[in-house]
Amino acid sequence: TAGITQAPTSQILAAGRSMTLRCTQDMRHNAMYWYRQDLGLGLRLIHYSNTAGTTGKGEVPDGYSVSRANTDDFPLTLASAVPSQTSVYFCASSQTRTGEQYFGPGTRLTVT
Amino acid sequence: AQSVTQPDIHITVSEGASLELRCNYSYGATPYLFWYVQSPGQGLQLLLKYFSGDTLVQGIKGFEAEFKRSQSSFNLRKPSVHWSDAAEYFCAVAGGADGLTFGKGTHLIIQP
Repeated sequence: TAGITQAPTSQILAAGRSMTLRCTQDMRHNAMYWYRQDLGLGLRLIHYSNTAGTTGKGEVPDGYSVSRANTDDFPLTLASAVPSQTSVYFCASSQTRTGEQYFGPGTRLTVT
Repeated sequence: AQSVTQPDIHITVSEGASLELRCNYSYGATPYLFWYVQSPGQGLQLLLKYFSGDTLVQGIKGFEAEFKRSQSSFNLRKPSVHWSDAAEYFCAVAGGADGLTFGKGTHLIIQP
């Protein structure tokens, strides 16, 4: 099985433009997460979803939105990108919110 | 709220030497604990986890970790490191509505 896939692998985006980062899992996990990883700051949770139809805000949600229309997909949208959103973005999933998380390969986003 | 501290930002170890990476957590109840490894340019991979039972946990790639409740620690060990172990290592604790809380990571450098 593929596990978790993310698209695109990398992207250069002009400031002010919008973009959706895609995340799909094939493990039928209930919970999904979006993190950003920045040097020296580790992983910071942006948004999460404990089950389809519900979402919650993480540590750094401003400027990002998510939706969870079904179990498999959890897209992350930047409505109007700013340079501080330059980062590596990881999607993850877990069967339960206390269980181990499985990570995708990441999307490297540069906002210019 | 739960938290994780990894006191060492960088650690340098000679190839073939033993390794111990420190992790301290803060959590009110019995914690679920995890260690992840991230190789350059890749997502996070689960090394091992502790949920209950034996406090010495075996993981993949020859790693183990010991849960010590009295010290609120979950240190990662390996008896003999290989050059391929050079990576970023993250400790995490489960709790709360938003899944895992990660430490900021320890960067492991292997000297030949």
